Amino acid sequence: DGGITQSPKYLFRKEGQNVTLSCEQNLNHDAMYWYRQDPGQGLRLIYYSQIVNDFQKGDIAEGYSVSREKKESFPLTVTSAQKNPTAFYLCASSRDSRTGELFFGEGSRLTVL
Amino acid sequence: AQRVTQPEKLLSVFKGAPVELKCNYSYSGSPELFWYVQYSRQRLQLLLRHISRESIKGFTADLNKGETSFHLKKPFAQEEDSAMYYCALEFNAGNNRKLIWGLGTSLAVNP
Repeated sequence: DGGITQSPKYLFRKEGQNVTLSCEQNLNHDAMYWYRQDPGQGLRLIYYSQIVNDFQKGDIAEGYSVSREKKESFPLTVTSAQKNPTAFYLCASSRDSRTGELFFGEGSRLTVL
Repeated sequence: AQRVTQPEKLLSVFKGAPVELKCNYSYSGSPELFWYVQYSRQRLQLLLRHISRESIKGFTADLNKGETSFHLKKPFAQEEDSAMYYCALEFNAGNNRKLIWGLGTSLAVNP
């Protein structure tokens, strides 16, 4: 079954801890994205990657880091420097970065206690 | 600056009534516009894009360059249409393409 898999679905973290959210796709897509979804604020782009071993900051990259060592994987680390990390995180992919047709994962909800 | 505006946070209609979710954009070039939908407990997914000019699940959206709008319409709303709807604009940003999103409209179709 092709698609995007995010894990974990729910995650709790203590303040001061880093946490990594997993995103895997088997669609053979070049481009991958991480968004943050907060009530009333729509989707805000954190990081994106157009191709393996390359990634760029989005609009709200501070306090986050990513890697793209494999085409199918684009993990997001929420560091302790992120001031307001409690949120719903969405991973997406697209055939390439020149299309707005994105395929999304089911999301990961991070709660910082 | 490029912007997507969805003026209604929440839209409530009765089953069988027409529904129109508004989307206005600001961009001086040739836009590509999309509607995405997120049903309860489901992933965000593409509903339709203006270049395909399709009708999906009874929804249509026409790009009006004069009014810079891309409103989503359905003549007879169904309860299963209740969801969060996002309008998105894709445009050229230097050598890259960029996608920006409206804040979304929550549609509630009441029985």
